[in-house]
Amino acid sequence: QITLKESGPTLVKPTQTLTLTCTVSGLSLSTSGVDVGWIRQPPGKALEWLANIYWDGDKRYSPSLKSRLTITRDTSKTQVVLTLTNVDPVDTGTYYCVRNWWERRFFDSWGQGTLVTVSS
Amino acid sequence: QTVVTQEPSFSVSPGGTVTLTCGLSSGSVSTDNYPSWYQQTPGQPPRALIYFANTRSSGVPERFSGSILGNKAALTITGAQADDESDYYCVLYMGSGIWVFGGGTKLTVL
Repeated sequence: QITLKESGPTLVKPTQTLTLTCTVSGLSLSTSGVDVGWIRQPPGKALEWLANIYWDGDKRYSPSLKSRLTITRDTSKTQVVLTLTNVDPVDTGTYYCVRNWWERRFFDSWGQGTLVTVSS
Repeated sequence: QTVVTQEPSFSVSPGGTVTLTCGLSSGSVSTDNYPSWYQQTPGQPPRALIYFANTRSSGVPERFSGSILGNKAALTITGAQADDESDYYCVLYMGSGIWVFGGGTKLTVL
């Protein structure tokens, strides 16, 4: 049973850096074919893919946010961390951690999500 | 910039059949895009429905099916039920480790 749990601040001020942690259970982050990523959803709006980190440490980012995003992992803690710099109110939303089944390019496991509000 | 298109809304009668589509602003959707579909109800994370265009995820009822129809990916619900009333999202793999979601379709069952 794979579980993913997001944690981080619920409120961030504009221009600050947002740091979110995904703790993964039931899965090794080094297993070939496994990658973990982040997807967000502004209130009442569509899902948006942000970033993935792969079993070999490779990383991929949404082109529109690449300059502001960093994804890292701690394999010993089975945690994946996402940082988003210089946040703005438009970054408000629910941030989901997801497991991507690479062979099938499929987000098959989702965390419950964490709501982040950007406001002064 | 690539845009993935979905119908903003759709309605279906209970017991009816509905097909939602997922297209590209330029070009055709193919299995190279590994189309996948997700269902989301308010306050919940998305639930994986279909991957690789036509394969149901574990536990997904047979009334949900996926396909490539013409130049788009499609999700068909046959025999719609009240609890199918949800938002449905498709996502396409664009290569080089990049995914793009569609804007979602709000399905009403009435």
